Parts: sequence; structure tokens; C-alpha cells
Amino acid sequence: GDSVTQMEGPVTLSEEAFLTINCTYTATGYPSLFWYVQYPGEGLQLLLKATKADDKGSNKGFEATYRKETTSFHLEKGSVQVSDSAVYFCALSDRTGGSYIPTFGRGTSLIVHP
Amino acid sequence: NAGVTQTPKFQVLKTGQSMTLQCAQDMNHNSMYWYRQDPGMGLRLIYYSASEGTTDKGEVPNGYNVSRLNKREFSLRLESAAPSQTSVYFCASSENRGGYEQYFGPGTRLTVT
Repeated sequence: GDSVTQMEGPVTLSEEAFLTINCTYTATGYPSLFWYVQYPGEGLQLLLKATKADDKGSNKGFEATYRKETTSFHLEKGSVQVSDSAVYFCALSDRTGGSYIPTFGRGTSLIVHP
Repeated sequence: NAGVTQTPKFQVLKTGQSMTLQCAQDMNHNSMYWYRQDPGMGLRLIYYSASEGTTDKGEVPNGYNVSRLNKREFSLRLESAAPSQTSVYFCASSENRGGYEQYFGPGTRLTVT
């Protein structure tokens, strides 16, 4: 079946540092790929997505590129802020029956210090 | 446009009690989902509904039942709560297409003593 593997956290950085959170996947079809962010006490919200190979998703300074050859979708940001502290989930969505059932990674906690 | 709403936000139950978690969405989405989130386990799918009138089991359905009341509403029922069901429960909705993301509710924090 489908699976998503992302680096374990927590990732601890100083403000303005460069961020990379690795994500690799296995899928039988041609999935769409997503990064979601969860702030403390809240539900997940979409950060960015890519629907086909070589697409780059971007939002709020975060970027990720859909790499089919390496089955990866790594999340990057050039300069993190304290407000970026949250849990980040990599996910894929593939068709199963009549619905697209997402598969989530276990989440990576990011802590940014001033 | 409220998105996905869930009630209640917090609940404490005793072992053996029953309760229903309510979820509604106002985005006219076909698919709706129930997840539980536990520390270190990520999100696990309990049940989903691809359209009004259909429901299917996810990864961890034991101890739960669901009802897709109409296109807007998808409820999750615990018939006899157990301490192992202490968790944060999230409802989500989406279109039935691969490029469409899920929209999540704020969650229900359930404790079973």
C-alpha cells in the first residue's frame, strides 16, 4: 500500500535559519502530494501541494518540489520565524475506490527559537 | 463560510458511556473523513464517506460507528467508550479528486476515564 516517511523531530532551529524537512513516499498510482501544518490546539491546514511530477508548491515562503525519480517531496524555507513553530505533515492522496484516501506521515515538530 | 465545524470541543467520559461527535461542512464537498490523532502515531483514519449514503472503514474502525446524515453532516459514535479511545478526533472533508486538499475541523479532545 501507499506510505509516507518523514524525518522524525523535533527539529530545533534559530530564527532566520534554513529549514529542510525530508519526505519520501511510495505509491502505486500517480498521487498528489501535500504539506499540512498544525499549530498548537488546532486542526491541520494545507500549506502547499503539487499534483504532478516536477511541480513546485509554494506558500508563505515554504517550497516543495514533486520529484518522481526520487519519490520525494522535501519541504524547505530559507529563513524561519518563531511563528513557524508547529507540526508539519507530509501526505499523499491516491484513488481508492470512489474516493481519494490520503496517507499521512507521522509529522515533524519544528521549534524555532528567537 | 464556516468550513468544517465539530462539536463538542472537549469531552470527558467514563468507561462504558456512549457519545456522538458531530461534524458539518458548508463547502458542498462529497467526501468526509474521521481521524484520530495520538502522540507519536500521526493521524489514523477511522471511517470515511465518499458520498452521501456511503461509508467505509479506515485503518482503525473498531469501537466506532458513523452516519452520513446528509451531504453536510458526518457523525462518529462511540457506543461503549474505552480508555484506549482517549484521543483527539478530527473531521475533514474534500472533493473527490486527487489534487484537492482536505479541510479539517478544529478537533474534539476526548478523555475516557
